[in-house]
Amino acid sequence: AQKVTQAQTEISVVEKEDVTLDCVYETRDTTYYLFWYKQPPSGELVFLIRRNSFDEQNEISGRYSWNFQKSTSSFNFTITASQVVDSAVYFCALSGSFSGSARQLTFGSGTQLTVLP
Amino acid sequence: GAGVSQSPSNKVTEKGKDVELRCDPISGHTALYWYRQRLGQGLEFLIYFQGNSAPDKSGLPSDRFSAERTGESVSTLTIQRTQQEDSAVYLCASSLTGNLAGGSSYEQYFGPGTRLTVT
Repeated sequence: AQKVTQAQTEISVVEKEDVTLDCVYETRDTTYYLFWYKQPPSGELVFLIRRNSFDEQNEISGRYSWNFQKSTSSFNFTITASQVVDSAVYFCALSGSFSGSARQLTFGSGTQLTVLP
Repeated sequence: GAGVSQSPSNKVTEKGKDVELRCDPISGHTALYWYRQRLGQGLEFLIYFQGNSAPDKSGLPSDRFSAERTGESVSTLTIQRTQQEDSAVYLCASSLTGNLAGGSSYEQYFGPGTRLTVT
């Protein structure tokens, strides 16, 4: 069975602070993908990043960066110099390679990030 | 281009009534997914369609839930004899392929959801 844990339910920071959202996953698949999605107050899920299990290189996109560590089964997400518009619920998700698990995403429970002006 | 669309955006129904939710995937996307999101929680997988293959219904919570998709087009999710615990946002997503080997085409793009309230 697959599982994604986002231990931080809510985080509040002041604008321009850096913030890291934690994600820990469990899977027996050797090949899998990890994702981060953003859900702003409007409710629509926005795809942020996909990372496959063979690629442990960290990735940076503007103010966003992701740290994938297979050894600790973690895929953490850092926002640098946070802005009020970053306020949203962020979901980490996992999909696997076995039949039945390859297709759907298993989501964490989400982290509500509030960036205060 | 147009994203995933869902209708209605909001639905209020009485307990025991049937409801039908609609999803229009991105044109050309062969894979379509339904998820449920209860208030303050993450998304739960319900059902997956890939082209003309038999759907993966492993996430449907009960036999009151069913879904159909014709070819690679519109899908409808039907909930019969609704219960109050069915109240949630129902999200639809589509991707170019549901095959993990599809690489970057595997990303799922979500619609805005249908908020279902059962009174």
